[in-house]
Amino acid sequence: RKEVEQDPGPFNVPEGATVAFNCTYSNSASQSFFWYRQDCRKEPKLLMSVYSSGNEDGRFTAQLNRASQYISLLIRDSKLSDSATYLCVVTTAGGYNKLIFGAGTRLAVHP
Amino acid sequence: GAGVSQSPSNKVTEKGKDVELRCDPISGHTALYWYRQRLGQGLEFLIYFQGNSAPDKSGLPSDRFSAERTGESVSTLTIQRTQQEDSAVYLCASSEAGRGEQYFGPGTRLTVT
Repeated sequence: RKEVEQDPGPFNVPEGATVAFNCTYSNSASQSFFWYRQDCRKEPKLLMSVYSSGNEDGRFTAQLNRASQYISLLIRDSKLSDSATYLCVVTTAGGYNKLIFGAGTRLAVHP
Repeated sequence: GAGVSQSPSNKVTEKGKDVELRCDPISGHTALYWYRQRLGQGLEFLIYFQGNSAPDKSGLPSDRFSAERTGESVSTLTIQRTQQEDSAVYLCASSEAGRGEQYFGPGTRLTVT
């Protein structure tokens, strides 16, 4: 079983739609959680950290459910520029020394 | 300030040749990571350096792969006797000590013919 699992998609949505991605992780002792974004043929970039209480950054909302070991990302009012691959990332238990990346969920927003 | 830089941006090599890839992390970042990303695939962790601690080499796929880091600055990833399956983008990232957020370089696209 992969340590971090994501639905690869693609999710094809119209502009203005709300879309949600989920991610599950296998290590219950994982400490920190992030969403990264990767545009085609570009390097990954941090989108947002995921906090236990949930957090919001503009149109983006991240949630963490430790009991069920899943993380979610909600994007409201999708823009064409949101088209990218979204990577779910967790740290190994006990420290920040190693991030485990999911394979990513591809989002395509169309006019 | 300057981000993570990598060189070369592209490298084409013949099967069996050795290649060396370079990474310059963000100044002050003590942690440095190498990843590999094959076309259409996720990121594979290769190796991690943190200060003067022994590196975590658990992700290196074979003994043809090695990496070094000079102090808390430049790192080089060396692939000996390259094989076609080594073709991928090799990404370097750095972070501050104790922080989970990593900052990636633009990658080196390696093609083994």
